[in-house]
Amino acid sequence: GESVGLHLPTLSVQEGDNSIINCAYSNSASDYFIWYKQESGKGPQFIIDIRSNMDKRQGQRVTVLLNKTVKHLSLQIAATQPGDSAVYFCAEIAQTGANNLFFGTGTRLTVIP
Amino acid sequence: DVKVTQSSRYLVKRTGEKVFLECVQDMDHENMFWYRQDPGLGLRLIYFSYDVKMKEKGDIPEGYSVSREKKERFSLILESASTNQTSMYLCASSLPTSGRPDTQYFGPGTRLTVL
Repeated sequence: GESVGLHLPTLSVQEGDNSIINCAYSNSASDYFIWYKQESGKGPQFIIDIRSNMDKRQGQRVTVLLNKTVKHLSLQIAATQPGDSAVYFCAEIAQTGANNLFFGTGTRLTVIP
Repeated sequence: DVKVTQSSRYLVKRTGEKVFLECVQDMDHENMFWYRQDPGLGLRLIYFSYDVKMKEKGDIPEGYSVSREKKERFSLILESASTNQTSMYLCASSLPTSGRPDTQYFGPGTRLTVL
């Protein structure tokens, strides 16, 4: 399954399928991008980050892709599990500085068993 | 693991009351933040602090104040609560790291309802 930017804030996928969550950012000067996961009733949890001089970064079951040409960021989750159900936020940092973190509104991922 | 705790998970207050939201982190982080989270608006920064007794306004500071008397504790104060301050409040902390973004670690949130 695949969401399209911030216009489709929900995404439903079958357990075991791969998920792709997309995010469009606006500031071409952003240096870093972070994906957060927020489960119901909890605060956002850091998943993975990527620097603007990279195109791809992999973690455990997650991959982040960055396309600076079109200012697009995506989070790919392999073999999606029920525990992956959550809201996923991308955040951009315009410069290395804690106060310059800007969050997207998020995409709600629902995993269907 | 970084642990950020918030004093209450749920809070119900009346209009005009003074409200204190407390946040404590146990990792000696220098930076601390208060956000509010509303449907369709994402996370919006209210105030942040780089050091003890230091505070900076975020994007939406109106109606709020903060206090940081100790490094591990950052308090958000609503001097006179209003219904439009009903929201989820999230505290975060981070440790400045040269050459890397200041990854913020969040608490579980306080859902405040102002009647």
